[in-house]
Amino acid sequence: GIQVEQSPPDLILQEGANSTLRCNFSDSVNNLQWFHQNPWGQLINLFYIPSGTKQNGRLSATTVATERYSLLYISSSQTTDSGVYFCAVPNQAGTALIFGKGTTLSVSS
Amino acid sequence: NAGVTQTPKFRVLKTGQSMTLLCAQDMNHEYMYWYRQDPGMGLRLIHYSVGEGTTAKGEVPDGYNVSRLKKQNFLLGLESAAPSQTSVYFCASSADRGFYNEQFFGPGTRLTVL
Repeated sequence: GIQVEQSPPDLILQEGANSTLRCNFSDSVNNLQWFHQNPWGQLINLFYIPSGTKQNGRLSATTVATERYSLLYISSSQTTDSGVYFCAVPNQAGTALIFGKGTTLSVSS
Repeated sequence: NAGVTQTPKFRVLKTGQSMTLLCAQDMNHEYMYWYRQDPGMGLRLIHYSVGEGTTAKGEVPDGYNVSRLKKQNFLLGLESAAPSQTSVYFCASSADRGFYNEQFFGPGTRLTVL
């Protein structure tokens, strides 16, 4: 089955810093989602990005499907950005999302 | 428009007890899913449904049953809870098959089995 790997596993930043999170996947996919799991455990949809680049405020994401990776950029980080960031891709049957193990981001003031 | 909702938010069970988790969505989505999340891991699929009256097994189905009697509801049952089922359970829905459709998640149910 498809493997999803995320890096780095942990990231510690000062408020205002920028960061890049990476998601590699082992097979071609038709879509990719980025999620933020906040400290209360809620999963927030950030991006649905099969290919190309999207931006939403301080966050942007780029997926290069031909090279099997996606990047999530966080600029001018804030303490509210803390949490775990997951990327996920559909399995080969399209019946489930396969999640990476996540990147845990801690932003301090 | 509430999206995907789950009840209850928290529950503590004793080994051997049973319970049902309820998921509801108001987006008229065909596909619904139940995932579990264990510490340090991403989510893993338990069961899913491709429409009213249908269910199918996911990656980790043992010890769980599901039902989709109404399009907007997807129930997850534990007949005889075990400590290994201590986890956070998430429900999700999508308009259609996951290749080209975004999945939306509920707020989760934190279950502890003693």
